[in-house]
Amino acid sequence: QVQLVESGGGVVQPGRSLRLSCTASGFSFSEYPMHWVRQAPGKGLEWVSLISEDGINKFYADSVKGRFTVSRDNSRNTLFLQMNSLRAEDTAFYYCARDPKIPATAEGASDIWGQGTLVTVSS
Amino acid sequence: DIQMTQSPSSLSASVGDRVTITCRASQYISTYLNWYQQKPGKAPELLIYGASSLQGGVPSRFSGSGSGTEFTLTISGLQPEDFATYYCQQSYSTSFTFGPGTKVDIK
Repeated sequence: QVQLVESGGGVVQPGRSLRLSCTASGFSFSEYPMHWVRQAPGKGLEWVSLISEDGINKFYADSVKGRFTVSRDNSRNTLFLQMNSLRAEDTAFYYCARDPKIPATAEGASDIWGQGTLVTVSS
Repeated sequence: DIQMTQSPSSLSASVGDRVTITCRASQYISTYLNWYQQKPGKAPELLIYGASSLQGGVPSRFSGSGSGTEFTLTISGLQPEDFATYYCQQSYSTSFTFGPGTKVDIK
């Protein structure tokens, strides 16, 4: 079945780095743009990043720009989020999500979500 | 950046009620507006995309309308499984902003 599974979360000290992974199955991963969305415990959703199907075009929220880098390996059906210079306010569940792309009115939405991985930034 | 607001922030309703949630964008977003449902401890689920198109598998009691800057999500005949938090999201610009959410709980 169509599935996304995140991994790599954990507890990290402020200023350190962490890399999240998201493994896709059940669909042609290389044909879809992919998002990262995060949610601080008990708070709302915050979009983090988008990467195009081919990995060339990348977009970031202002809150993470210059610190986070999104990438993908289509040969391994895997999406990544490299998080550097982590701050306490980056503490959140991080979800990867598929952009349906089609129809055009659905572009930018997220139709398939992973279960999330928790990142806790604390000393 | 485009800012999204939702009203109300929470509401109490009974099974069978008709519920309407409003989402407003700080600037024109055409119909690039999506609605999600999130239950506690779960990932969000896409309900509506393009302001009014029902995502596959979503019950027809959910409907969306609006364009420009003002949008609504309507649940016609609230069911027990609909008690959740609902978020709107704009996909007109690459900031992909979410609204703050509307929590629907049992009266």
